[in-house]
Amino acid sequence: GESVGLHLPTLSVQEGDNSIINCAYSNSASDYFIWYKQESGKGPQFIIDIRSNMDKRQGQRVTVLLNKTVKHLSLQIAATQPGDSAVYFCAENINYGQNFVFGPGTRLSVLP
Amino acid sequence: DTEVTQTPKHLVMGMTNKKSLKCEQHMGHRAMYWYKQKAKKPPELMFVYSYEKLSINESVPSRFSPECPNSSLLNLHLHALQPEDSALYLCASSQALSYNEQFFGPGTRLTVL
Repeated sequence: GESVGLHLPTLSVQEGDNSIINCAYSNSASDYFIWYKQESGKGPQFIIDIRSNMDKRQGQRVTVLLNKTVKHLSLQIAATQPGDSAVYFCAENINYGQNFVFGPGTRLSVLP
Repeated sequence: DTEVTQTPKHLVMGMTNKKSLKCEQHMGHRAMYWYKQKAKKPPELMFVYSYEKLSINESVPSRFSPECPNSSLLNLHLHALQPEDSALYLCASSQALSYNEQFFGPGTRLTVL
């Protein structure tokens, strides 16, 4: 079946550098995507979302890019901080918004 | 109040026990969700309620029985579970279905012996 996946399972970056987390999706009917951050022992926390009629959306220190041609989603974190260390999931919305399918996740480690 | 609360935080049960997980939100959200998350895996959707009616059941075994008594509460009744059902059970809510951010609770860590 169609699914959401990630290019890299783990990512280590130096504090202060920019991070880029990638996500590939295969369901061409998906039209809404969310990035979540999950810290150890906690539930997923919303970071940013984007609809398929957009290519880019910016938040505070985060940017999501959507390339529908190659079915690729990325999350950019500027000036990565130790508090950014977590597992990041992209989630793909199918069935007209009724449910989300999560990708396998990327663990981001921020090095001092 | 902008949070989803879940109780208990941890639960250990035998395969013959009956227990319930509870989820509560006071944000006026009309959609609520149960997810199951195994270690080092993404959350998997189990059930979706919209306006207190079951909207989606993702082919979940009948030993899991959801209940939505009112718009603020969501329960998950557990009976005759198997050890492989051990996981983190997450509750989430959103304003409504369709293109809405989901707010997650901290989860209940369930161990089935």
